[in-house]
Parts: sequence; structure tokens; C-alpha cells
Amino acid sequence: AQSVTQLDSQVPVFEEAPVELRCNYSSSVSVYLFWYVQYPNQGLQLLLKYLSGSTLVESINGFEAEFNKSQTSFHLRKPSVHISDTAEYFCAVSDRVIYGGATNKLIFGTGTLLAVQP
Amino acid sequence: DAMVIQNPRYQVTQFGKPVTLSCSQTLNHNVMYWYQQKSSQAPKLLFHYYDKDFNNEADTPDNFQSRRPNTSFCFLDIRSPGLGDAAMYLCATSRLAGPLEKNEQFFGPGTRLTVL
Repeated sequence: AQSVTQLDSQVPVFEEAPVELRCNYSSSVSVYLFWYVQYPNQGLQLLLKYLSGSTLVESINGFEAEFNKSQTSFHLRKPSVHISDTAEYFCAVSDRVIYGGATNKLIFGTGTLLAVQP
Repeated sequence: DAMVIQNPRYQVTQFGKPVTLSCSQTLNHNVMYWYQQKSSQAPKLLFHYYDKDFNNEADTPDNFQSRRPNTSFCFLDIRSPGLGDAAMYLCATSRLAGPLEKNEQFFGPGTRLTVL
């Protein structure tokens, strides 16, 4: 069975400092990996995804994540955070499940609260 | 703008009183999902519809049901809410086509359910 581990429940960091949010997964099949961000009282927004190809993926707001198959990791990084980056970040894994159609079921980690302080 | 809409944003119900949460989408996506997210926990998939085909997760309680009368709407029915059902309920959609790149899930803002 697939699973996702986010070891850090909360990461406090000062504004303009770099940050890394850790994500490890376990799966016996090829996986697709995602990072979602959730602002207070809002739904989830896709931040970035790894499906295939280049192992380094980037978002439009300066986040990046690197797929490392040997370490089964997909850590999220940003070189300089802003107050507005304060949110809950969820790592998720998906595989293709074929049952007659197809679906991309997501298995989420428990989330990491990024708390950016001035 | 195309989007996923959930109504109401906040719902209060009494213990044992049936409640229905609503999700609609203007994306014309063929798959719709319902997730339950309890406080400080990860979203957990309850079930999903692929077109009209309903797919229940093995550990979803019988207390939870769903209806999808058409492509745009999907409802979550909780027949007899218990205190443990208090949570944020998230609706998501995706359009499953050939390339996996199109299989992103789009989430609504969620409905926060309180059970008194």
C-alpha cells in the first residue's frame, strides 16, 4: 500500500530565510507526486507535481521540489520565504488505478504548517 | 472563471439529524471526489464518481452516501451525523483523459461541518 510521511508537523522560519519541507513516500509501483497548499479555511491548491521527466519541478511562486527515487523523497524547498507563504502544505502520492476507467486517487501526508515570522 | 463550488461553507447540524453537503463544478470534469479532513489531519478520500460510476472506499462508513444527478453536481449525504463526523469536507474534480498531465485534482473551498 502507498503511504506518505511528512515528518515535520510545523516548521517556523523567519521571513526571507530558506525552507525545506520534507516528504517521503512508499510505493511498490510507479508514483506521481504532488504538493498542495492550503490557506486557512480554504480548499487545497496544487503547488507543483512530478509525473515524469525532469526530477526537479518548479512552481510559479518560487517553490521547487526534487523527486529522488533512491531516497523515495519529494522534498519542497524555497530559497526565500514570504509572510504570505504561511499555510499548510500537503504532500500527496497517486498511482493509476484501472478498473474500467481510470482514476488518480491521492494519498496525502499529514501536512506541514509553514509559519513564516517577520 | 471555471471553478469548484461548495455550499454551504459552514454547516451546523444536530447529532443524528441528516445533513447534505453540495458541490458543483463548471469545469465539465468527469470525475468528482469527496474527502473528509479532520482537524490537523490529512484529507481522506471517502468516495468518488467516475462519470456515473460510484466508487466507495473500503473504510468509508455506511453513514456516508453520495449522489451525482448530473455532471455538474455531486452531493454528500450523512444519514445520522455523530460527533466524530465533525470535519472539513472537500470536494474535488478531475478530468481524466489520455495524458496523465490532465489528471490534476481541483478542490473546492470546503464545507466545515459542526455536529452539536
